[in-house]
Amino acid sequence: GQQLNQSPQSMFIQEGEDVSMNCTSSSIFNTWLWYKQDPGEGPVLLIALYKAGELTSNGRLTAQFGITRKDSFLNISASIPSDVGIYFCAGRDGTGGFKTIFGAGTRLFVKA
Amino acid sequence: KAGVTQTPRYLIKTRGQQVTLSCSPISGHRSVSWYQQTPGQGLQFLFEYFSETQRNKGNFPGRFSGRQFSNSRSEMNVSTLELGDSALYLCASSWGHEDMETQYFGPGTRLLVL
Repeated sequence: GQQLNQSPQSMFIQEGEDVSMNCTSSSIFNTWLWYKQDPGEGPVLLIALYKAGELTSNGRLTAQFGITRKDSFLNISASIPSDVGIYFCAGRDGTGGFKTIFGAGTRLFVKA
Repeated sequence: KAGVTQTPRYLIKTRGQQVTLSCSPISGHRSVSWYQQTPGQGLQFLFEYFSETQRNKGNFPGRFSGRQFSNSRSEMNVSTLELGDSALYLCASSWGHEDMETQYFGPGTRLLVL
C-alpha cells in the first residue's frame, strides 16, 4: 500500500535556528499537507499544496510540493519555543476523497 | 464558532467489549472523517462520511464501523475490542468533500483496552 517516509524522526535545535523536514512517497500524490500536533490535541493544518512545484508560505513556514509529486518538504525559519510539537506530512492521491496517508511525524524540540 | 467536539475524551474498556465514540462536527460542516492514531502505526484513515453516506474506507477489519446522522454528527463503533485497538481516535470535519477543503480535527478520544 501507499507509504510516506518522513524524516527526520526527531530534531533538537536551538531557538532561532532554521529547521527542515521532508517526506517521500512510494506513489504519486495530488495533494500534500503539513500538520502540527500539540500534546492532547488533534492535528492542525499548517500548509496545503495542490500543484507540483508549488511553493507556499505561512508566516515562518514554507513548504513545497515536489516536481515528481512524490515528495514534499517543510521549512521553519527562526524557530521559537512554541514550535515544539510533532509535525506530520500527509498526502492524498485524488482517488479516495479525503482518504489521507500520514507520515510517522517529526518530533521537534526547541531549546530556548 | 465551536470546534469539532468528541466524546468521551477518555475511555477504558475490556477486551471483547464494544465501544461507541461520538463526533460533532463544526456547525455547517457535512463531511466527517475518522482516524486512528497509535505510536506504532501512526495516523491511519478509518472512514469518511458525507451526507450520511460512507464515501471512503481505510484498511481496517469489519469490527470498525461508523455512521453519520442527518445533523452531520457521526459515531464510530468498534466491536469485540482487542488490546491493539488502544489508540487515540480522531475525528475531522469539513464543509464538503472537495480535495481543496480544509479538515479540522477534534481533540480525539483516547481509548485504552485492558
